[in-house]
Amino acid sequence: EPEVTQTPSHQVTQMGQEVILRCVPISNHLYFYWYRQILGQKVEFLVSFYNNEISEKSEIFDDQFSVERPDGSNFTLKIRSTKLEDSAMYFCASSEEAVYNSPLHFGNGTRLTVT
Amino acid sequence: AQTVTQSQPEMSVQEAETVTLSCTYDTSENNYYLFWYKQPPSRQMILVIRQEAYKQQNATENRFSVNFQKAAKSFSLKISDSQLGDTAMYFCAFRLYTSGSRLTFGEGTQLTVNP
Repeated sequence: EPEVTQTPSHQVTQMGQEVILRCVPISNHLYFYWYRQILGQKVEFLVSFYNNEISEKSEIFDDQFSVERPDGSNFTLKIRSTKLEDSAMYFCASSEEAVYNSPLHFGNGTRLTVT
Repeated sequence: AQTVTQSQPEMSVQEAETVTLSCTYDTSENNYYLFWYKQPPSRQMILVIRQEAYKQQNATENRFSVNFQKAAKSFSLKISDSQLGDTAMYFCAFRLYTSGSRLTFGEGTQLTVNP
């Protein structure tokens, strides 16, 4: 079964540094998402992306965040200047959306630790 | 805005027994989906079961079934014949019947299946 792939599985970075989290969605999927989960808390929506542009973003997704689909397969989340509170698990997801009933498929997540 | 509430932070059950996890939600919309996701210690997000709001029949997937009460805005998950591998965090989630719409998650219920 096709999978959403995320790399790296764990990233450690220093406060103030830029970090890029990478995702390869399922190949025939049209919508892409980023979610984050701070340890012990609920999963929170960050952004959705369709047709090479952001379709929706949450209040968490401020100017420090950006997303890009640089080629036909990768979908990236960039945090420009990381803060301690950005430490979290970041999940990429994709959905087919050929029909409304298509569920989100999640990757295994990238654990980001900001020191 | 939609909200999802899971009022049971932790639950436990003996192997082979049945357990029910509760979820309530709030929305003014009429067309939406509801989901249960499982997150084992590996932190992967796995879809367990989904329900379309326009369907009156409760969804079932093998040992997993839901009790969907639309008027009460309640969506509980029943796990029958619990197995040790069911030990995980379970998240209830809501999604509008719109392409690319976000998933809104509840706080989660940590389920432990005891031998």
